[in-house]
Amino acid sequence: GENVEQHPSTLSVQEGDSAVIKCTYSDSASNYFPWYKQELGKGPQLIIDIRSNVGEKKDQRIAVTLNKTAKHFSLHITETQPEDSAVYFCAASRGQNFVFGPGTRLSVLP
Amino acid sequence: DAGITQSPRYKITETGRQVTLMCHQTWSHSYMFWYRQDLGHGLRLIYYSAAADITDKGEVPDGYVVSRSKTENFPLTLESATRSQTSVYFCASSGSTTLNAEAFFGQGTRLTVV
Repeated sequence: GENVEQHPSTLSVQEGDSAVIKCTYSDSASNYFPWYKQELGKGPQLIIDIRSNVGEKKDQRIAVTLNKTAKHFSLHITETQPEDSAVYFCAASRGQNFVFGPGTRLSVLP
Repeated sequence: DAGITQSPRYKITETGRQVTLMCHQTWSHSYMFWYRQDLGHGLRLIYYSAAADITDKGEVPDGYVVSRSKTENFPLTLESATRSQTSVYFCASSGSTTLNAEAFFGQGTRLTVV
């Protein structure tokens, strides 16, 4: 089955700097890669996603890149703000079964 | 209120007791999921359902039972709770049956088994 690894497990950046979180997946048939943000005491919420026929997608300060050959994808957050502090999860799926990475705790220091 | 809601938000139960976690969504989404979240493991799929009366096992189904008699409800039952089932449980729903679609998560239920 699918296995998703995620690095780093914790990440601290200064406000205004960029943050990058990387994930790798094992199943070459996976074709959908969402990123979720989880704030304290809340459920995960989708922030951006990418499908296997696209190499990069951007939405304001966040972007995701996908390298199908290497089976890895990354989340990039630019101009980080304190409200970006949260746990971020990557996931890979084929169909409706999502396999999540273990999460990255991002802290944006003022 | 529209959305996906879980109840209770917090639950403490004793080892060996049966406990049911409730999940209700108002979108008429076809897919519903139950995940457990444990430190270092992320979100692991327990069971999912593609439609009413259709359920299937996920990665960690042992010790859990689900049912889906109505599209909007997807209860999760721990038949005989164990300490290893102490976790935060998330229910999610998704509308698409053929295309990858966003999964919407509830607020979670923190279950402690003592």
